[in-house]
Amino acid sequence: NAGVTQTPKFQVLKTGQSMTLQCAQDMNHNSMYWYRQDPGMGLRLIYYSASEGTTDKGEVPNGYNVSRLNKREFSLRLESAAPSQTSVYFCASIGRDRGRGLNEQYFGPGTRLTVT
Amino acid sequence: KQEVTQIPAALSVPEGENLVLNCSFTDSAIYNLQWFRQDPGKGLTSLLLIQSSQREQTSGRLNASLDKSSGRSTLYIAASQPGDSATYLCAVEGTGANNLFFGTGTRLTVIP
Repeated sequence: NAGVTQTPKFQVLKTGQSMTLQCAQDMNHNSMYWYRQDPGMGLRLIYYSASEGTTDKGEVPNGYNVSRLNKREFSLRLESAAPSQTSVYFCASIGRDRGRGLNEQYFGPGTRLTVT
Repeated sequence: KQEVTQIPAALSVPEGENLVLNCSFTDSAIYNLQWFRQDPGKGLTSLLLIQSSQREQTSGRLNASLDKSSGRSTLYIAASQPGDSATYLCAVEGTGANNLFFGTGTRLTVIP
């Protein structure tokens, strides 16, 4: 059980280049999320997917697109990277703690992206 | 919009001390509150989750309390160890929301 995995771990892009960040979870969770983490600003939600086939905007969606390919995978695409998108990106999924009946978020290790 | 604040931003304590980390939030209509730990260059690991109807949760040396009416939560760490050094974040989930609102974290250093 690998939990939430993300690729790549590091990436450097030039302004205007495109790339896709991959995320997968093997916990059979319905909901998946993409966050960005910037110094002094905490984590902010970019997009989320409540279930396979659905996606919704979060707090900071501009400049990004997402695809919920299947229940396991949720990818984040930067079509034309900008320096303001330099950040650490985290994918997360939410699952139910059966013992307490509560939903709990599980995070991937992150992708550190630099746009020059 | 929910705003979550954590004070202090950084804290250094000698090994063995008990300590308290603070989290406050502006909208008391929350579904739950979660405390996470983040090691440098790593993702977030969930430590404790408190449902809005609960007052506290305990896990080993960690105890988290929640006072929803005043918009406050604390994370108490007993007998701190160097391995506790990390950034601790709190996050609140609003009712009906599919989102966690995060604080900016407290960076804890436990000095041997």
